[in-house]
Amino acid sequence: EVQLVESGGDLVEPGRSLRLSCTASGFTFRDYAMNWVRQAPGKGLEWVGSIRKKDSGGTTEYATSVKGRFSISRDDSKSIAYLQMNSLKIEDTAVYFCTRGYTNPFDCWGQGTLVTVSS
Amino acid sequence: DIQMTQSPASLSASVGDRVTITCRASQGIRNDLGWYQQKPGKAPKRLIYAASKLQSGVPSRFSGSGSGTEFTLTISSLQPEDFATYYCLQHNTYPWTFGQGTKVEIK
Repeated sequence: EVQLVESGGDLVEPGRSLRLSCTASGFTFRDYAMNWVRQAPGKGLEWVGSIRKKDSGGTTEYATSVKGRFSISRDDSKSIAYLQMNSLKIEDTAVYFCTRGYTNPFDCWGQGTLVTVSS
Repeated sequence: DIQMTQSPASLSASVGDRVTITCRASQGIRNDLGWYQQKPGKAPKRLIYAASKLQSGVPSRFSGSGSGTEFTLTISSLQPEDFATYYCLQHNTYPWTFGQGTKVEIK
């Protein structure tokens, strides 16, 4: 069974950093691009960023709202994707979802992890 | 950035009704579009990919159509479990963008 499990969500103060993890199982992780999507309380879905598979260069793309502050990486040996979030702002408060895919993406989602940015 | 304009923002319908949701892209995106259903407190679930292909396991009452800039999601006969919020997503050009969502409520 394909499974994605996010972890690392927490309550943090503005300006601080946090790293989220997405642990994958049930598929060959290295064969897939991985993505992060977030949803602020009561709001819609927002694509955060993507990392391509190593065979496609392993490069990353980011939403304008997080570019320069967030970075995505992957450890194919552990089947984990990471979202490093620096200089967090109150408006980064959201549930963060991990998803997979590039050509026809987001066929599988994790359950989400809550990040709350507040003083 | 490509803007996805989704309409309506909400609708009220009865069980058995035919429901249509539309997404319009600000520029052509071929058929690089998916439709997602989300229920409160849950992760989204993909219903349609490549604009018109039904995700495995999704009931056949769901269908998608369109290409270029105009796309529709149709539920042929609304069922009680279909009351949820629906989103389109374009993945043709970064940044990928979602529509604003359509909340389908019980009339």
